[in-house]
Amino acid sequence: AQKITQTQPGMFVQEKEAVTLDCTYDTSDQSYGLFWYKQPSSGEMIFLIYQGSYDEQNATEGRYSLNFQKARKSANLVISASQLGDSAMYFCAMREFSGTYKYIFGTGTRLKVLA
Amino acid sequence: DADVTQTPRNRITKTGKRIMLECSQTKGHDRMYWYRQDPGLGLRLIYYSFDVKDINKGEISDGYSVSRQAQAKFSLSLESAIPNQTALYFCATSDYTQGVGELFFGEGSRLTVL
Repeated sequence: AQKITQTQPGMFVQEKEAVTLDCTYDTSDQSYGLFWYKQPSSGEMIFLIYQGSYDEQNATEGRYSLNFQKARKSANLVISASQLGDSAMYFCAMREFSGTYKYIFGTGTRLKVLA
Repeated sequence: DADVTQTPRNRITKTGKRIMLECSQTKGHDRMYWYRQDPGLGLRLIYYSFDVKDINKGEISDGYSVSRQAQAKFSLSLESAIPNQTALYFCATSDYTQGVGELFFGEGSRLTVL
């Protein structure tokens, strides 16, 4: 069965520094997609970045990059040059391409950026 | 206007009452989902639907029911609300043929059951 694990309930990072948020996943499928979402204190869910299981290069979107290690089943989010506005809850999610197309989420990591 | 709209945004109700949360979307997506968010538990899937005739239970469907009235509308009902259904509820849509198939979320419905 699908499972997403985020082991860091909370993280602190100094402004302008980089931070890595961990995500490991479990699936028996060969074809799947991994997503990261940001939830600021206002509550909305904001899509950040996507990595497909067959993508050979790590995904990047501006200051966000995804450190994808398929053999380890990890898909860590790296935020470079942290800003105060990055303070939020971050969720990792997975969708398998075969079968049900459900999206399964991890429990989230709350990031606080310190000035 | 938001592409995925949830009503009500906030609701306080009493134990035993029937509650309906409504979701409508203008994105033209076939796939719609209901999640609940609880602190420390992340988002958990309640129900999902791939078209008006296809409705599926998620991880935590007990105590909930859904109705897909049209491609654009997907409602979640709590037949007899209980306090542990107090949560933030999200509706979401997707179309895996567009972009990377990410979920598009509504703004959430905060439900409190007293």
